[in-house]
Amino acid sequence: QVHLVESGGGLVKPGGSLRLSCAASGFTFSDYYMTWIRQAPGKGLEWLSYISSTSTYTNYVDSVKGRFTISRDNAKNSLYLQMNSLRAEDTAVYYCARDTAVSYWGQGTLVTVSS
Amino acid sequence: DIQMTQSPSAMSASVGDTVTITCRASQDISNYLAWFRQEPGKVPKRLIYAASSLESGVPSRFSGGGSGTQFTLTITSLQPEDLATYYCLQHYTYPYTFGQGTKLEI
Repeated sequence: QVHLVESGGGLVKPGGSLRLSCAASGFTFSDYYMTWIRQAPGKGLEWLSYISSTSTYTNYVDSVKGRFTISRDNAKNSLYLQMNSLRAEDTAVYYCARDTAVSYWGQGTLVTVSS
Repeated sequence: DIQMTQSPSAMSASVGDTVTITCRASQDISNYLAWFRQEPGKVPKRLIYAASSLESGVPSRFSGGGSGTQFTLTITSLQPEDLATYYCLQHYTYPYTFGQGTKLEI
């Protein structure tokens, strides 16, 4: 059974940094592209970034390009999102998801950017 | 970027009704479209992939159609648990983009 568990969310001041993690189990992690998606409070879903199975390819939405970095460690079955220069508008629940068609979602981790 | 426009943004229906939600892409995305349902306070769940393929375990009263730029999600025999917000996602070209959501009230 596919299981994705995010961690690392919390309260951070504007301009600060945070690193999110996603622990994967129940499938061969190294076979799949992985994705980060977020949802601001009361708002819709926003696709953020993807990383290919061997980390060769990554892509980002413009709103986070240059500030966020996606990475993975296939030996640890883990996906990461390094978030720098955080802004109030980055406040959201952050989900990791499997593959580019988003077949499975984690339960999400809340990031709050506030002074 | 490809824009995904969902309509309607909100709708009200009754148990037993049939409803259709439309998603229009700003350019051709072939069939690289998925539909998701997000119940209040819960994690989104995929219902349909490749525009018309039903996810395993999803009731057959959900169906998807379309290709190119126009797509539909149809729900027949509405049930109370269908109260949710529905989203489409194009995964044809980066950055991938979601529709703005359709809130369905029963």
